[in-house]
Amino acid sequence: DTGVSQNPRHKITKRGQNVTFRCDPISEHNRLYWYRQTLGQGPEFLTYFQNEAQLEKSRLLSDRFSAERPKGSFSTLEIQRTEQGDSAMYLCASSYRQGHNGYTFGSGTRLTVV
Amino acid sequence: GQNIDQPTEMTATEGAIVQINCTYQTSGFNGLFWYQQHAGEAPTFLSYNVLDGLEEKGRFSSFLSRSKGYSYLPLKELQMKDSASYLCAVREAAGGYQKVTFGTGTKLQVIP
Repeated sequence: DTGVSQNPRHKITKRGQNVTFRCDPISEHNRLYWYRQTLGQGPEFLTYFQNEAQLEKSRLLSDRFSAERPKGSFSTLEIQRTEQGDSAMYLCASSYRQGHNGYTFGSGTRLTVV
Repeated sequence: GQNIDQPTEMTATEGAIVQINCTYQTSGFNGLFWYQQHAGEAPTFLSYNVLDGLEEKGRFSSFLSRSKGYSYLPLKELQMKDSASYLCAVREAAGGYQKVTFGTGTKLQVIP
């Protein structure tokens, strides 16, 4: 297993465009999380999946954001009508149950909205 | 909700010992994590505490006092590669989901 994989690594888009990011978690991990991180800040929770079910969404996740995890494997995060304030690093993490080993994070997708 | 406080920046000398502190306020504490994050990279897991006391783990031990809402990460024998941000994260029971909230991180600079 190569860990948590995220694609693309970088995305530059014009304001108003839609973007979609993909996350492939560690195969044995049934829990998947999306976080957003801006410079100098810690990761902010966006949403959480257990298998294919989206069990929690942050109030930060406006209706322009949607996430899916079909079949409980990979996940996608879509941002519609992007705004400059959406520019951030989008991190995906996975874990097996609520264990003591913390989350394994992917390398993230850096979004720049121009 | 949660409130997590960490110093913004610290500087220490190679070979020295430094202690990074974290204080938190939460209504349903269920564990505290420390992560290391190098610039431009993803956070990597360092340690986990759920009971009071020191969790020994090589150079990256961690201490927790639940009654004081306090944890610290003592870094020993500092190396230049330890220059990174150190993130404190608290897990809180919230219904069926145990939410993990991160602090803003402490940026540690190790100098020769």
